[in-house]
Amino acid sequence: DGGITQSPKYLFRKEGQNVTLSCEQNLNHDAMYWYRQDPGQGLRLIYYSQIVNDFQKGDIAEGYSVSREKKESFPLTVTSAQKNPTAFYLCASKRAGGSKTSTDTQYFGPGTRLTVL
Amino acid sequence: GDSVTQMEGPVTLSEEAFLTINCTYTATGYPSLFWYVQYPGEGLQLLLKATKADDKGSNKGFEATYRKETTSFHLEKGSVQVSDSAVYFCALNGANSKLTFGKGITLSVRP
Repeated sequence: DGGITQSPKYLFRKEGQNVTLSCEQNLNHDAMYWYRQDPGQGLRLIYYSQIVNDFQKGDIAEGYSVSREKKESFPLTVTSAQKNPTAFYLCASKRAGGSKTSTDTQYFGPGTRLTVL
Repeated sequence: GDSVTQMEGPVTLSEEAFLTINCTYTATGYPSLFWYVQYPGEGLQLLLKATKADDKGSNKGFEATYRKETTSFHLEKGSVQVSDSAVYFCALNGANSKLTFGKGITLSVRP
């Protein structure tokens, strides 16, 4: 089946530790995104990548880092510099190029819930 | 910049009631508009979309019409079911190709 997978589903971290969240897609999408979701709020963009080996900061990039070495993979590292990392993290992807109707829809993975102990 | 405003929630309805969830937006140019749904503990699923003025998106009995004159994209369903209980997000894809989300609204449907 084509889709986006995120692992793990639940993640616990001690304060001061870095942790990496996995996001993989087999949709052959060019662009990938990381969002953070907090209770009662919409989604906020952390980082995005429109092509391999290139990525841009979103609205709340501080304390996070990413890499895009392969088209299928866009891992997110939550560093110890992130002051309030407990949240639900969502990865998304979309096609690039082509018509507006076929390329402007982002598809989401199931999410990873990170809790800092 | 781009913004999306959703009506305040939560919303609680009885099964078979009529649903309206308001969404208005501010954007430059001609954004695409989306409704996403999120079931408990899951990611977001695309519910419907519209890419130009007067387009109507529809799926699973839900509908929304892209109204440029009122900058709105209200979600409606004629008869809700318990299984429609979820969080609903309105979003737009603006000129910078980034999605801007509303805060979401929780819908609970009672049997």
